[in-house]
Amino acid sequence: DQQVKQNSPSLSVQEGRISILNCDYTNSMFDYFLWYKKYPAEGPTFLISISSIKDKNEDGRFTVFLNKSAKHLSLHIVPSQPGDSAVYFCAASARASGGSNYKLTFGKGTLLTVNP
Amino acid sequence: DTGVSQDPRHKITKRGQNVTFRCDPISEHNRLYWYRQTLGQGPEFLTYFQNEAQLEKSRLLSDRFSAERPKGSFSTLEIQRTEQGDSAMYLCASSSDWARDEQFFGPGTRLTVL
Repeated sequence: DQQVKQNSPSLSVQEGRISILNCDYTNSMFDYFLWYKKYPAEGPTFLISISSIKDKNEDGRFTVFLNKSAKHLSLHIVPSQPGDSAVYFCAASARASGGSNYKLTFGKGTLLTVNP
Repeated sequence: DTGVSQDPRHKITKRGQNVTFRCDPISEHNRLYWYRQTLGQGPEFLTYFQNEAQLEKSRLLSDRFSAERPKGSFSTLEIQRTEQGDSAMYLCASSSDWARDEQFFGPGTRLTVL
């Protein structure tokens, strides 16, 4: 049972435009959300995160939006650059209920291709 | 390089053989995680160490799998009597107490069981 869902396996955008990657979750115990970027032959790299007490977090070109009532989050990349082409994973953790274990539950990922 | 390192990067083995992977976390990180990633899937949690104590194991970790973290530094993941279904990327991650959610991942060990 997928607790974190990324329903778009791939997304293609033009350089300079906005990229919007979506993620839905089902477990209401999740209270912290992260986005990771992964290039081939490398491990995932942390990109940006958001706590459930916020609805937006911004870091440079990257903004994550959280809609708790809809159990939905999105990552906006503006402007998109060819170097952003990678697989993006949405991940979640249940900090309050997980004890000392902050294990992450990942979605299947979305392959973003930014065309020059 | 102060990132998470894993060794080997690739391992090809025959069914029934035992394999062992090593992970060296970022030196000041006391939390260490193992994940497994198969084709088309995101990483799936396997096990978690806080210092040398293994505090949680996933149902995915069958009896053929064992992980250790002696002295709370590097960790090893051993798979005994490998099966073709064990073929996957094995990822190690570490984090610190002051940034517990932000896990730093190594490059992974790709296991192929023939």
